[in-house]
Amino acid sequence: AQTVTQSQPEMSVQEAETVTLSCTYDTSESNYYLFWYKQPPSRQMILVIRQEAYKQQNATENRFSVNFQKAAKSFSLKISDSQLGDTAMYFCAFMKDNAGNMLTFGGGTRLMVKP
Amino acid sequence: KAGVTQTPRYLIKTRGQQVTLSCSPISGHRSVSWYQQTPGQGLQFLFEYFSETQRNKGNFPGRFSGRQFSNSRSEMNVSTLELGDSALYLCASSGASSSGRIWGSFFGPGTRLTVL
Repeated sequence: AQTVTQSQPEMSVQEAETVTLSCTYDTSESNYYLFWYKQPPSRQMILVIRQEAYKQQNATENRFSVNFQKAAKSFSLKISDSQLGDTAMYFCAFMKDNAGNMLTFGGGTRLMVKP
Repeated sequence: KAGVTQTPRYLIKTRGQQVTLSCSPISGHRSVSWYQQTPGQGLQFLFEYFSETQRNKGNFPGRFSGRQFSNSRSEMNVSTLELGDSALYLCASSGASSSGRIWGSFFGPGTRLTVL
């Protein structure tokens, strides 16, 4: 079974600054996907970024980027130039490859962006 | 493309009743998954349907069941409701590229179920 751990229950950052959210996972699989999801107060779960484990290059999506360390089983999310709209719960999630679309989520990190 | 839709958005039931939730995936997506979100347990996987067949199942009692229709729409049913079933139920639609790479799961707005 896979486990995903987010060790920071809450974080805050000033608008326009950079913040990094941590995620570690445990798996015996060699091929898998990792995701970061954002859930704002509206509760709509939004896919922020995805990473395929076989790719060494870190994924980036505009202001969002990840630091994927496969050997350390670490998958952190960096948000640059933080905006008020980034205030949300952020969930790290794991999915095995070739096993259907079953996500295992971490407990989440509540991020508050302050003006 | 239209996003994932879920109906109803809010539901209030009493213990012992049953409930059916509906999910329409993104056009072209054949996989639909269901998740339960509660403050205490977080996000937990219920089950996944792909081409009308249950492909994965989480660790929930048999009171939780689902099905998928030929147009990929899915329903989830909870029978004999308990207070602990109060939660946000999220449906996710998933697709893949022609080479089989997963794009990711895209979520609907959820159904907020309150059991009194």
